[in-house]
Amino acid sequence: GAGVSQSPSNKVTEKGKDVELRCDPISGHTALYWYRQSLGQGLEFLIYFQGNSAPDKSGLPSDRFSAERTGGSVSTLTIQRTQQEDSAVYLCASSPSGVYGYTFGSGTRLTVV
Amino acid sequence: GQQLNQSPQSMFIQEGEDVSMNCTSSSIFNTWLWYKQEPGEGPVLLIALYKAGELTSNGRLTAQFGITRKDSFLNISASIPSDVGIYFCAGREGGSEKLVFGKGTKLTVNP
Repeated sequence: GAGVSQSPSNKVTEKGKDVELRCDPISGHTALYWYRQSLGQGLEFLIYFQGNSAPDKSGLPSDRFSAERTGGSVSTLTIQRTQQEDSAVYLCASSPSGVYGYTFGSGTRLTVV
Repeated sequence: GQQLNQSPQSMFIQEGEDVSMNCTSSSIFNTWLWYKQEPGEGPVLLIALYKAGELTSNGRLTAQFGITRKDSFLNISASIPSDVGIYFCAGREGGSEKLVFGKGTKLTVNP
């Protein structure tokens, strides 16, 4: 597709369950980013992938959060044992290498009940 | 983590008025960007700035990269109802690949 695609668009899960959020970046974009947006807040960096380099995981808030990127394309963000404070919109973005004007997807709105 | 100081937090204006918002940082940035977000959507890039003092326009939008490299502003001229949304500034420090975002300015335009 022409843009960054994220699925699902909405996810409601029970506290303690695991969730997987998917991101399909723009074809050819080597950089992929995950950000989290809580209500009324700015965007909080989570993790960054660039080509085959080791990812920058410095923004992951706890070891319950992990992400992988397969084949330099699709990425999955996994949250284990979800907590209510994990409720937020999770945004994925991609860009060509060295270009900092990312293109964002529409996000996954996660609600933990 | 580090965040930018973006102001104002919200603005309520009449259609046709000009708008100005700004961001400041305690760190020097190599890149400043401005995004707009509408409900249910991801942020959309409006303007990217790469050099201190740079002034760039995109239609009715004008943004500047402050000469101290610690601030940026965005102006919107002759606002229209479709300008409604949340405007975010974002900055990148040298040597970093990630952007730091402000908390946003929520713009409401009354017809």
